Amino acid sequence: AQKVTQAQTEISVVEKEDVTLDCVYETRDTTYYLFWYKQPPSGELVFLIRRNSFDEQNEISGRYSWNFQKSTSSFNFTITASQVVDSAVYFCALSEAGTGGFKTIFGAGTRLFVKA
Amino acid sequence: DTGVSQNPRHKITKRGQNVTFRCDPISEHNRLYWYRQTLGQGPEFLTYFQNEAQLEKSRLLSDRFSAERPKGSFSTLEIQRTEQGDSAMYLCASSVSLMIEGYGYTFGSGTRLTVV
Repeated sequence: AQKVTQAQTEISVVEKEDVTLDCVYETRDTTYYLFWYKQPPSGELVFLIRRNSFDEQNEISGRYSWNFQKSTSSFNFTITASQVVDSAVYFCALSEAGTGGFKTIFGAGTRLFVKA
Repeated sequence: DTGVSQNPRHKITKRGQNVTFRCDPISEHNRLYWYRQTLGQGPEFLTYFQNEAQLEKSRLLSDRFSAERPKGSFSTLEIQRTEQGDSAMYLCASSVSLMIEGYGYTFGSGTRLTVV
């Protein structure tokens, strides 16, 4: 069975601090997809990134970076020099290719507060 | 394209009444998903359509729930004989096949259901 664990319920930082959101996943599939979504106070989930299981290359996009490690089943998300606009709930998610990739399992989310 | 559209945004209903929600996906997306999100939790998978075919339903979807996607365009989610436990945010998402590199879901803003 697939499972996503986001152990950090809430994180509070001061603007310009770096922050890392942890994500640990479980799956028996050898091919799977990992995602991060952002849910700002407005409520609409926004797709941030997707990684495939066969591609462990880390990714950087502006102030955002993602560290994917199959050895520890982790897919962590770091925001560098955080800003107030980064305040949101962030969800890590997993989709197994064996199911056609249609059933995505979400973690419980990490609420990030960035204070000015 | 303006993204995934959901109507209504909010619905308050009395216990025992029937409700219907509508989702208009991105026109190029052949996959459509319904998720449910309760306070403090990540979205939970309810059902999935590929074009007009409903290919998977979660065990969470009791007999009181039904979803359709006529002609592979918009979709409706109906809940019959609503119960207080049905109170949640109902999210619709659409996508192309996740086999295509780089894609995730595009979510709508959701319909918040309150059963009183």
